[in-house]
Amino acid sequence: EAEVAQSPRYKITEKSQAVAFWCDPISGHATLYWYRQILGQGPELLVQFQDESVVDDSQLPKDRFSAERLKGVDSTLKIQPAELGDSAMYLCASSLGTSGKETQYFGPGTRLLVL
Amino acid sequence: SQELEQSPQSLIVQEGKNLTINCTSSKTLYGLYWYKQKYGEGLIFLMMLQKGGEEKSHEKITAKLDEKKQQSSLHITASQPSHAGIYLCGAGASHGSGNTGKLIFGQGTTLQVKP
Repeated sequence: EAEVAQSPRYKITEKSQAVAFWCDPISGHATLYWYRQILGQGPELLVQFQDESVVDDSQLPKDRFSAERLKGVDSTLKIQPAELGDSAMYLCASSLGTSGKETQYFGPGTRLLVL
Repeated sequence: SQELEQSPQSLIVQEGKNLTINCTSSKTLYGLYWYKQKYGEGLIFLMMLQKGGEEKSHEKITAKLDEKKQQSSLHITASQPSHAGIYLCGAGASHGSGNTGKLIFGQGTTLQVKP
């Protein structure tokens, strides 16, 4: 069964360092989402791609976060510099399209701890 | 902006008992998703509801979307320890001129099932 892949699964870093997360969506899925989930809360969208284009990055803290999906397949989310408040689970999801009727499938997530 | 409120926030039940989790929206729902999450892991898709009055079942889990499309319920019959986890409802959110497929989530309901 096709799955969304993410790496690393866990990352511990010190504040002011740079971190990067990688996501490989289900093959053929044009839409890719990065969500952030703080402990005890539901996920919140950071950025959404349709192929290689950004559809929505209104909640992405652009002074320190960046995301790319250069060839419209896999994607990288970067934080530089990391802050203590960035400690959270970073989830990647993918779907066939954006009609609102396609299911989003999630990867296992990357748990980030900033010390 | 649309908000989803889940109740209860947490639930402890004896194995074999039935239970219901509710998800209430501040606006009309267009596509309501139920996911399950085990601690520290990604979200697993359970069901999607779109039409008012729609009801779907998978094994011992049944989800309904009410006629007015502002509330959904998730019912588990004869709960088992394998049902334990965090249940999240998610709904399509509009952005700008249309629905981009972005989901907003409730805060989650944590379920424990005692053997």
